Amino acid sequence: KQEVTQIPAALSVPEGENLVLNCSFTDSAIYNLQWFRQDPGKGLTSLLLIQSSQREQTSGRLNASLDKSSGRSTLYIAASQPGDSATYLCAASLPAGGTSYGKLTFGQGTILTVHP
Amino acid sequence: ETGVTQTPRHLVMGMTNKKSLKCEQHLGHNAMYWYKQSAKKPLELMFVYNFKEQTENNSVPSRFSPECPNSSHLFLHLHTLQPEDSALYLCASSQGRALRTFYATNEKLFFGSGTQLSVL
Repeated sequence: KQEVTQIPAALSVPEGENLVLNCSFTDSAIYNLQWFRQDPGKGLTSLLLIQSSQREQTSGRLNASLDKSSGRSTLYIAASQPGDSATYLCAASLPAGGTSYGKLTFGQGTILTVHP
Repeated sequence: ETGVTQTPRHLVMGMTNKKSLKCEQHLGHNAMYWYKQSAKKPLELMFVYNFKEQTENNSVPSRFSPECPNSSHLFLHLHTLQPEDSALYLCASSQGRALRTFYATNEKLFFGSGTQLSVL
């Protein structure tokens, strides 16, 4: 059974800081790992998807890395802005096969607050 | 806008009521999902549909009944719910795969804004 843990549970930083969010998973036989953003009372927005064969993905100020052997992924946010305030969720997929596609195991999220 | 629309946004119902949640996607996808997000718990997958066929039921109680009449619409019919069923119910869609190749998965999910359900 896949379990996903995110640390820290909450993070508050001043605007402009670079920050790292951590995600760990117990079953390294993942097919991909995804990072999402969720604003209060809203659905999830996909930020980055890292396939198991990849080490990292970048989109603008966001960079996500994946180390399958250690069961870890990090989301790096450069030059943080107040608009980055949200809950960030990571989700690890089960290995491909059977009907497991789309079956993601989510962490509980990191609540990020970037204050001016 | 993600292209996935959920209605209603908020729903309050008694334990003896029957209600339905609706999800519609305008992305041309073939797979749709229901997720449940409870306070202080990780997001949980409930159901998966691929090309209108249910491919996943994650041990969901029978008081939740999904329906997928076509690839663009997904419903969640609710009856005799319990207060602990109060949560944010999220719908998602993805490209989907023809059954014989669904093992080759790499689905990016697009989520709706959810229905906040309160059961009294």
